[in-house]
Amino acid sequence: DIVLTQSPASLSLSPGERATLSCRASQSISTSLAWYQQKSGQPPRLLIYDASTRATGIPARFSGSGSGTDFTLTISSLEPEDFSVYYCQQGSKWPLTFGGGTKVEIK
Amino acid sequence: EVQLVQSGAEVKKPGESLKISCKGSGYTFTSYWIAWVRQMPGKGLDWMGIIYPGDSDTTYSPSFQGQVSISADNSIGTAYLQLSSLKASDTAIYYCARRVAGHAFDMWGQGTVVTVSA
Repeated sequence: DIVLTQSPASLSLSPGERATLSCRASQSISTSLAWYQQKSGQPPRLLIYDASTRATGIPARFSGSGSGTDFTLTISSLEPEDFSVYYCQQGSKWPLTFGGGTKVEIK
Repeated sequence: EVQLVQSGAEVKKPGESLKISCKGSGYTFTSYWIAWVRQMPGKGLDWMGIIYPGDSDTTYSPSFQGQVSISADNSIGTAYLQLSSLKASDTAIYYCARRVAGHAFDMWGQGTVVTVSA
């Protein structure tokens, strides 16, 4: 199985600051990577697919980059509603796998 | 409006079986893969398996192979997840999700809370 390692596990930032979240794959997955946001008590919401394409309705402050084994989700300026948990997910090989998550907390 | 609506919360005893449903609407049900994802209390997301309702092609995660069964009834636009011989460790929220480009999931059900307790 492809293992996705997200770092850091948690991130403490203030509104308006830039958030940089990392996802590293145990083998190359080209650009077959998605990012999700999950708020407490809700299902995940797709933010980014194919490593860098924003899903419908996702604000421009969210951006994704990377290919191969190293990927980044950047939130350019944190809004209050952005404080939640973020997961990456690979779609390159079965079984599909998720990273362990990064929690973005208010400082 | 595209929606996936799941069946309601369940409380089961160890050893029992359970079938959760996921009804798709607002799109052509047979044209999109539907996956099932588990989230144990306070934990991350575990991909369980996926079905293409168009031809019932199904793939399971090795971690769940033999433990669960995924099916679909195209006549009512509904996918199912069957769990058998339930254990306390099956206590979790189970989500269905629609697959789009690059094996990403753009639409999720609201989740079904399953509690297994004696």
